[in-house]
Amino acid sequence: DIQMTQSPSSLSASVGDRVSITCRANQSISTYLSWYQQKPGKAPKLLIYVASSLHSGVPSRFSGSGSGADFTLTISSLQPEDFATYYCQQSFSTPLTFGGGTRVQSK
Amino acid sequence: QLHLQESGPGLVKPSETLSLTCSVSGDSMISSTYSWGWIRQPPGKGLEWIGNIYYNGNTFYNPSLESRISISVDTSKNQFSLNLYSVTAADTAVYYCARVWSSSCFDYWGQGTLVAVSS
Repeated sequence: DIQMTQSPSSLSASVGDRVSITCRANQSISTYLSWYQQKPGKAPKLLIYVASSLHSGVPSRFSGSGSGADFTLTISSLQPEDFATYYCQQSFSTPLTFGGGTRVQSK
Repeated sequence: QLHLQESGPGLVKPSETLSLTCSVSGDSMISSTYSWGWIRQPPGKGLEWIGNIYYNGNTFYNPSLESRISISVDTSKNQFSLNLYSVTAADTAVYYCARVWSSSCFDYWGQGTLVAVSS
């Protein structure tokens, strides 16, 4: 199985901050990487697919980059509605696997 | 707008079978671009992929669960279902159904349903 490691596991930030979350695979996964946002009690929502493509309706302050084994999700200017937990997920091979999550909380 | 809705018992006894159905509305399930998946999340923990199914019945299962799961599809009802056999407390989780785009990402999700395994 491909293991996905996110860092940090949590971070504190303020509205307007630039926030970056890292996801690392234990082998190359090309760009078969997606990012999700999950708020408490809600289903995850797709933000980014194939490493850098923005899903329909997702604000442009979200961006993804990377290829191979190292990926980054960036929020250019954190908004109040962005406080949530973020997950990466690889689809290079089955079983599909998720990172452990990064909780973005208010400083 | 695509909508997915999970349904099924919220409580299952140990050693019994967990059965859930996902009803899809807003679009037909018949597509070679999309498959349909199940994901679960134990309380306070991360996400675990369970398996996917195409409209023609082709399935892909997580090997860690493969011996205990079965996913089926009924295109006439626009539904797909999950059976998880011989459950234990470790199977307590919120179970989500989702559409899978190009065997890649889960682009639309149901709201999730909490299933507790307890006697």
